[in-house]
Amino acid sequence: DGGITQSPKYLFRKEGQNVTLSCEQNLNHDAMYWYRQDPGQGLRLIYYSQIVNDFQKGDIAEGYSVSREKKESFPLTVTSAQKNPTAFYLCATRTDLSYGYTFGSGTRLTVV
Amino acid sequence: KQEVTQIPAALSVPEGENLVLNCSFTDSAIYNLQWFRQDPGKGLTSLLLIQSSQREQTSGRLNASLDKSSGRSTLYIAASQPGDSATYLCAGDSNSGYALNFGKGTSLLVTP
Repeated sequence: DGGITQSPKYLFRKEGQNVTLSCEQNLNHDAMYWYRQDPGQGLRLIYYSQIVNDFQKGDIAEGYSVSREKKESFPLTVTSAQKNPTAFYLCATRTDLSYGYTFGSGTRLTVV
Repeated sequence: KQEVTQIPAALSVPEGENLVLNCSFTDSAIYNLQWFRQDPGKGLTSLLLIQSSQREQTSGRLNASLDKSSGRSTLYIAASQPGDSATYLCAGDSNSGYALNFGKGTSLLVTP
């Protein structure tokens, strides 16, 4: 089945740690996106990539980093510089401007 | 940047009622408008996509319309069911292909 796989589903981070969230897709979509969702704030864009080896900052990129070495993969690293990382993280893809977005099932990150 | 507002923030209706969810946006140059459903702790499921040249889309009991000149979209749900209980999110993008901008959602509860 074609789709987006986000892993892990739940992730716990200790203070000062970097953690990496995985997003893999087999939809052959060019563009990939990372969003953060907090209660009452809606979804906010962290990073996006429209093509392999290229990515752009979104509205809240500070404390996060990404890479896009393969079309299928767009991992998100939450660094120790992100002071409030507890949130629900969603990965999305799209093939081109004419089509809608497809979302993964999300990763819930909690700082312990 | 596209600003998206959804009204009401929460809605409770008895089963069988027809209802309308509202979405407004600030930039009439919106390209695509997409409605999503989100169940608690889950990712987003796409319901309807209204592409730039379209004015409405229908799927089963759902109908979404888009009026770019007034900056509004509505999602109409006919004969609501308890299984429709979820958060409904409206999102729009521009033809620059930047990314989707989301409203904060409408939390719907359909009571038996």
